[in-house]
Amino acid sequence: DAGVTQSPTHLIKTRGQQVTLRCSPKSGHDTVSWYQQALGQGPQFIFQYYEEEERQRGNFPDRFSGHQFPNYSSELNVNALLLGDSALYLCASSLAGGGAANQPQHFGDGTRLSIL
Amino acid sequence: AQSVTQLDSQVPVFEEAPVELRCNYSSSVSVYLFWYVQYPNQGLQLLLKYLSGSTLVESINGFEAEFNKSQTSFHLRKPSVHISDTAEYFCAVELAKQAGTALIFGKGTTLSVSS
Repeated sequence: DAGVTQSPTHLIKTRGQQVTLRCSPKSGHDTVSWYQQALGQGPQFIFQYYEEEERQRGNFPDRFSGHQFPNYSSELNVNALLLGDSALYLCASSLAGGGAANQPQHFGDGTRLSIL
Repeated sequence: AQSVTQLDSQVPVFEEAPVELRCNYSSSVSVYLFWYVQYPNQGLQLLLKYLSGSTLVESINGFEAEFNKSQTSFHLRKPSVHISDTAEYFCAVELAKQAGTALIFGKGTTLSVSS
């Protein structure tokens, strides 16, 4: 039973570029959340997708956008990259209904994004 | 707004010694509480959770945490640590009314176990 998979594992970009990160949820899960984890910090919630729509959004600018596909996989897009966007980007999946408290979010190993 | 404070950024301890990682939260509404562990170059793994009922919750690998509503704390403890427990530990909360949505994390505590 495959868990949450993310690609790529590492990525190097320069300022001003655009990046797309990908996530496949754990089998049976239908909800995908994205988190940004800066070095030495805890993860910060970016947004969550359910039924191909953004269900909740954290305090991130519009440069951060996402998408969920019919197979529940998801993409995170970041435009006009800044040095401060360098971080580990984590994807988490869960099953809607009953809340994450009963269906805890399962995390992937993340994509390490470095901005030069 | 909800927030989580992990009171110690680093906790060094010797193998087989007891350890406590402290977590306090701030919220005016009901929350669920979690501890996650992150090993190097890996994602987060759920260690244990408090939803309701007994205030003492346990994990399968010997960790336990106690929910204290009056002190708004959810400290993590283990009576005897192993080298393999070396990792980053994150305390997190989730609004009970918005269960299934955003987790709010603390900044993490690095547990370093040496022999």
